[in-house]
Amino acid sequence: QKEVEQNSGPLSVPEGAIASLNCTYSDRVSQSFFWYRQYSGKSPELIMSIYSNGDKEDGRFTAQLNKASQYVSLLIRDSQPSDSATYLCAVKKRTGRRALTFGSGTRLQVQP
Amino acid sequence: EAGVAQSPRYKIIEKRQSVAFWCNPISGHATLYWYQQILGQGPKLLIQFQNNGVVDDSQLPKDRFSAERLKGVDSTLKIQPAKLEDSAVYLCASSSLEKLFFGSGTQLSVL
Repeated sequence: QKEVEQNSGPLSVPEGAIASLNCTYSDRVSQSFFWYRQYSGKSPELIMSIYSNGDKEDGRFTAQLNKASQYVSLLIRDSQPSDSATYLCAVKKRTGRRALTFGSGTRLQVQP
Repeated sequence: EAGVAQSPRYKIIEKRQSVAFWCNPISGHATLYWYQQILGQGPKLLIQFQNNGVVDDSQLPKDRFSAERLKGVDSTLKIQPAKLEDSAVYLCASSSLEKLFFGSGTQLSVL
C-alpha cells in the first residue's frame, strides 16, 4: 500500500465547475497535509496546507481533512483553464521521516 | 526574495558516466532536500539536510548517489555511475517552518 494515494486522472471538468481532488494516506501519525500544483515542465508550487480536521478556504480553493478516515481533499471552485495542471497531495508525519511524502498526483483538465 | 537556485537545467549523459547537480537554497532556510521525480510520478525524497548534517538518507541509493552540503548552504548531488533508470527530474527544495519551496529542477536524461 502506498503511503499517499491519488487517482492519476485525468479529471476533466468544464470551465466554471467545481473540481474535486481526493487523496488518502496510510499512516495515522501523519500530522500536516499539503496540496501542490505542478504545471507541465515546471516544479511544484504550494497551494494549501491544512493541519486540523475540517475545511480551510483560501480564495477559490478549499482543503478538507478527515483524519479518522485518513483522507484529504481539494476543491477548486469556478475552475479556469489556467487551473489545468497536476495536483500533488503531500503528507508530513509527526514521527520518523518528517520530510514530505508525495502522492503521484491527479491531472486536472479544465475544458473552456 | 530569491528562490531556490539549481543548475544545470538540463543534462544528457550516457550510462555509466557521472553527473553532478548544484543547489543554492533560499537564504536563511536551514533545511534542504533533494527529491527525484520520475515522469508520471510524485517527487520521491532522496536526502534531507538540516544545516550541514544529514537528517534522512534512507531512500538514497548510496552505491551510486552521494550528496553533501558544505557550510550548511549550497548542496551538491552526484550520481556515479548513472543508470538508465536514473532519468528523472532532480528537484532541490528548502523549507521555512512547514512550507517547502522547490527550485526549477534539473532534467537528467541517461542514454
